[in-house]
Amino acid sequence: DSGVTQTPKHLITATGQRVTLRCSPRSGDLSVYWYQQSLDQGLQFLIQYYNGEERAKGNILERFSAQQFPDLHSELNLSSLELGDSALYFCASSASGGENEKLFFGSGTQLSVL
Amino acid sequence: GEDVEQSLFLSVREGDSSVINCTYTDSSSTYLYWYKQEPGAGLQLLTYIFSNMDMKQDQRLTVLLNKKDKHLSLRIADTQTGDSAIYFCAESISDSWGKLQFGAGTQVVVTP
Repeated sequence: DSGVTQTPKHLITATGQRVTLRCSPRSGDLSVYWYQQSLDQGLQFLIQYYNGEERAKGNILERFSAQQFPDLHSELNLSSLELGDSALYFCASSASGGENEKLFFGSGTQLSVL
Repeated sequence: GEDVEQSLFLSVREGDSSVINCTYTDSSSTYLYWYKQEPGAGLQLLTYIFSNMDMKQDQRLTVLLNKKDKHLSLRIADTQTGDSAIYFCAESISDSWGKLQFGAGTQVVVTP
């Protein structure tokens, strides 16, 4: 158990809908990362937050947004969902988000868009 | 992870050694990592190596780094069935505050 909790584990929804994925980082970790894992794109970095502030942005679509709350949990919001958004979404956390930060990953949320 | 390349599949017999190879492109990467993903689970950090090292050993795991060729390998000694998983190589991106660039993963299948 990495200590990173993601909910829900599975999510099935329809095209055009909006969903929210939730992540609780390890106790004491200030930085949260979101990754998308799909068969064709592999593991893609989406976005990183540190202590409530956005720190780095990767291949995140404009339809997606995220935030980190004062209690350090994070949510990833996916809207106007398309079939191609079906993927495994991972959250990871690290102590502070600096170099050689060891990332601890949650078990992921499997999103299926039908 | 188009900047980090790995072979996609490796089959190995139980008890043999496994060697998983990876090439990366960011010569300024300071740290390189190996993660393991078992079915239905997240990524588990196995080991990492600092870019000024050539080798790191941790129990059954040996990491070799050839910085000149930007080549990283993970050797698993005495491979067990529990080692069957997908193994990801990842490089730290310079000035990226902890962001990692992952390879596509190598599926390792251990046969009895």
